Amino acid sequence: EIVLTQSPATLSLSPGERATLSCRASQSVSVFLAWYQLKPGQAPRLLIYDTSNRATGIPARFSGTGSGTDFTLTISSLEPEDFAVYYCQQRSKFPLTFGGGTKVEI
Amino acid sequence: QVQLVQSGAEVKKPGASVKVSCKASEHTFSGHYLHWVRQAPGRGLESMGWINVNSGDTRYAEQFQGRVSMTRDTSISTAYMELTSLRSDDTAVYYCAKGFMTNYFDPWGQGTLVTVSS
Repeated sequence: EIVLTQSPATLSLSPGERATLSCRASQSVSVFLAWYQLKPGQAPRLLIYDTSNRATGIPARFSGTGSGTDFTLTISSLEPEDFAVYYCQQRSKFPLTFGGGTKVEI
Repeated sequence: QVQLVQSGAEVKKPGASVKVSCKASEHTFSGHYLHWVRQAPGRGLESMGWINVNSGDTRYAEQFQGRVSMTRDTSISTAYMELTSLRSDDTAVYYCAKGFMTNYFDPWGQGTLVTVSS
């Protein structure tokens, strides 16, 4: 199974700051990596798929880069609604796996 | 946009079974994969497997083999996930999600809390 390791576990930032989240895979997933946002009491939301493609309706402040084993989600300027937990997920090999999450907090 | 509406919270005793439903809002239910993902309290997300709603083919994550069954009723655009031999560590929020590019998840249902407690 492909293990995804996210860092840091918690990111403490203020609105307007830039957030950089990392996801490292135990083996290459090519570009087959997605990012999701989870907020308490809400359904998870797909942000980015295949490393760098924004899902429908996702603001341009969210961007993804990387390939192989190292990936980054960047939020260019944090809005109040962006404080949440973010997970990466790979679809390169079954079983589909998620990282452990990064909490972006104020 | 397809919306997925799940059944309500459940409380079960250890050893029992639970069946969670996931209804699509439109008749675009067919032609898609429907995944199930869970999140235990304080834990991350865990993929349980998927069902091809056209063919009924399924694929389950190894840790759930033998305990999980995913089915669908295309006449009512509804998918089901049944988990048997429940243990306390099965306490979690269970989500259904439509397969996007097959094996990403979008959109998601609102989640169903399953509590396993004696």
